[in-house]
Amino acid sequence: GQNIDQPTEMTATEGAIVQINCTYQTSGFNGLFWYQQHAGEAPTFLSYNVLDGLEEKGRFSSFLSRSKGYSYLLLKELQMKDSASYLCAVSRNTDKLIFGTGTRLQVFP
Amino acid sequence: DVKVTQSSRYLVKRTGEKVFLECVQDMDHENMFWYRQDPGLGLRLIYFSYDVKMKEKGDIPEGYSVSREKKERFSLILESASTNQTSMYLCASSSQGRGSDDEQFFGPGTRLTVL
Repeated sequence: GQNIDQPTEMTATEGAIVQINCTYQTSGFNGLFWYQQHAGEAPTFLSYNVLDGLEEKGRFSSFLSRSKGYSYLLLKELQMKDSASYLCAVSRNTDKLIFGTGTRLQVFP
Repeated sequence: DVKVTQSSRYLVKRTGEKVFLECVQDMDHENMFWYRQDPGLGLRLIYFSYDVKMKEKGDIPEGYSVSREKKERFSLILESASTNQTSMYLCASSSQGRGSDDEQFFGPGTRLTVL
């Protein structure tokens, strides 16, 4: 079967760095997506990792280890607007994405 | 600019009613998806479609059907709504052929309440 785990909630302070972890167990793994979803809004794409390693995109970075079934999203210089849910999703060769339950991040001043 | 629209943001229906949720994308995408999102369960795939008149079951298709008569439009149908179908419904689309490697673009969602 498949399983994706990420923490339910996290809190952090404005200006800080936060790391949101995602572990997965699945067959036919292609890559891993991160999406951001503000309350009451649609998810929006943040990153897609296929190869091992860290990919940086401005304040956000995403890391993947295929051998460990592990990814993280790193958010630097946190801003209040980063308060949102962060969804980890596994791409498989069977055409369907499998989403984790999401991590709700609250940023405090 | 990429755009996925859904016919309603909020919908209230009664048990047993037939419900249509419409989704339209203007990006000429081949792939379209219907998900439901529930607290603690995340996004779960109901149905998806790779092309006009093509449809495939997702992980939770029971109680739902879909229609894709035109490339830009993907409809989700609840033949006889039940209270356990109260949820947020999200439509998404992606480009290219079969495969889940492409970024999915989501609509704003329809919050359906079944009384």
